[in-house]
Amino acid sequence: DTAVSQTPKYLVTQMGNDKSIKCEQNLGHDTMYWYKQDSKKFLKIMFSYNNKELIINETVPNRFSPKSPDKAHLNLHINSLELGDSAVYFCASSLGQVTGNTIYFGEGSWLTVV
Amino acid sequence: GIQVEQSPPDLILQEGANSTLRCNFSDSVNNLQWFHQNPWGQLINLFYIPSGTKQNGRLSATTVATERYSLLYISSSQTTDSGVYFCAVLDRGSTLGRLYFGRGTQLTVWP
Repeated sequence: DTAVSQTPKYLVTQMGNDKSIKCEQNLGHDTMYWYKQDSKKFLKIMFSYNNKELIINETVPNRFSPKSPDKAHLNLHINSLELGDSAVYFCASSLGQVTGNTIYFGEGSWLTVV
Repeated sequence: GIQVEQSPPDLILQEGANSTLRCNFSDSVNNLQWFHQNPWGQLINLFYIPSGTKQNGRLSATTVATERYSLLYISSSQTTDSGVYFCAVLDRGSTLGRLYFGRGTQLTVWP
């Protein structure tokens, strides 16, 4: 059983398109995250939701919009894709807001914008 | 935000060798985790270690919170240890759970 699962794993799309990445966790956690890993492997948080409520919204273009229909799911929608959006996007979850808790990552979604 | 520095940035070892990876952080933390990103890109938790010492098989970690550093020890390295090792911290003043990652140590173990 995969604890944090993301789909799709690979996505190649043209500039200007709109795409979504879905994430689900079966760990019973109440906090979920989206992290972005750039080409130099630097990982940076984008968003965090706690019980469906947005609690962290880093300086991310408005083209990125997260949605959490319930505490087990956190999806990421990206409008008008740009070349610079090419990266690996990781979903993660934790029990509570990381303080004192381990964070678990999904396998990543490799996004390539051409 | 809190600064996290990892060293060395790259490490090449022969199978069987031991190694020490270091993580320095600029402020007090209440969460520190080590992760291994394997060559397939998966991020795997190794340790949750805001202070003290833990061991798991050939790996162990020590965090000296008062001196703001953590060490990850890999003994008798194997080719499957290759990948990038990340340290991530949550600063003590944070109430939002924003983990800050270092830039990683790229480890290559040759047979």
